Amino acid sequence: DGGITQSPKYLFRKEGQNVTLSCEQNLNHDAMYWYRQDPGQGLRLIYYSQIVNDFQKGDIAEGYSVSREKKESFPLTVTSAQKNPTAFYLCASSIDGAAGNTIYFGEGSWLTVV
Amino acid sequence: AQSVTQPDIHITVSEGASLELRCNYSYGATPYLFWYVQSPGQGLQLLLKYFSGDTLVQGIKGFEAEFKRSQSSFNLRKPSVHWSDAAEYFCAVGAGGQNFVFGPGTRLSVLP
Repeated sequence: DGGITQSPKYLFRKEGQNVTLSCEQNLNHDAMYWYRQDPGQGLRLIYYSQIVNDFQKGDIAEGYSVSREKKESFPLTVTSAQKNPTAFYLCASSIDGAAGNTIYFGEGSWLTVV
Repeated sequence: AQSVTQPDIHITVSEGASLELRCNYSYGATPYLFWYVQSPGQGLQLLLKYFSGDTLVQGIKGFEAEFKRSQSSFNLRKPSVHWSDAAEYFCAVGAGGQNFVFGPGTRLSVLP
């Protein structure tokens, strides 16, 4: 089945640690996204990649980093500089970044700081 | 810049009753409009989208939405709500790339 796979579903991080959330898609989409969702709130864009080896910061990029070395993969690293990382993280993709294209989502990853 | 508002944070309806979720947008050109649904702890699923043409759009799960340019609105409707419709609903304007903007969401509760 074509889709977007995020792993792990649940992740616990100690203070001061970096963690990486995986996102893989087999939809042959060029554009990929990372969003953060806090309880009872909407989606905020962390990073956006329109094509391999290119990405742009979103509204809340501080404390996060990404790479896009392969078309199908867009991992997100939550660094120790992110002061409040506990949240639900959603990876998404679209066929390209053109206006009007549907964005498709993975099932999300929960990150908790312990 | 484009923006989306959903005036209702939380709505409760009885099973079998009709539903209307409100969405207003701000966008300078012809908007591409979307409705998504999210069950707790899950990703978002597309319900329907509007590009152009017929202003009444049919979607999955018996949902429909009507685009009204004069009111800058794209309200989501369902004639008879089922308990399984309880979820969070997001309206969005798809202006391309990182300009795909979501509203804050409306949480729907369904009473038996």
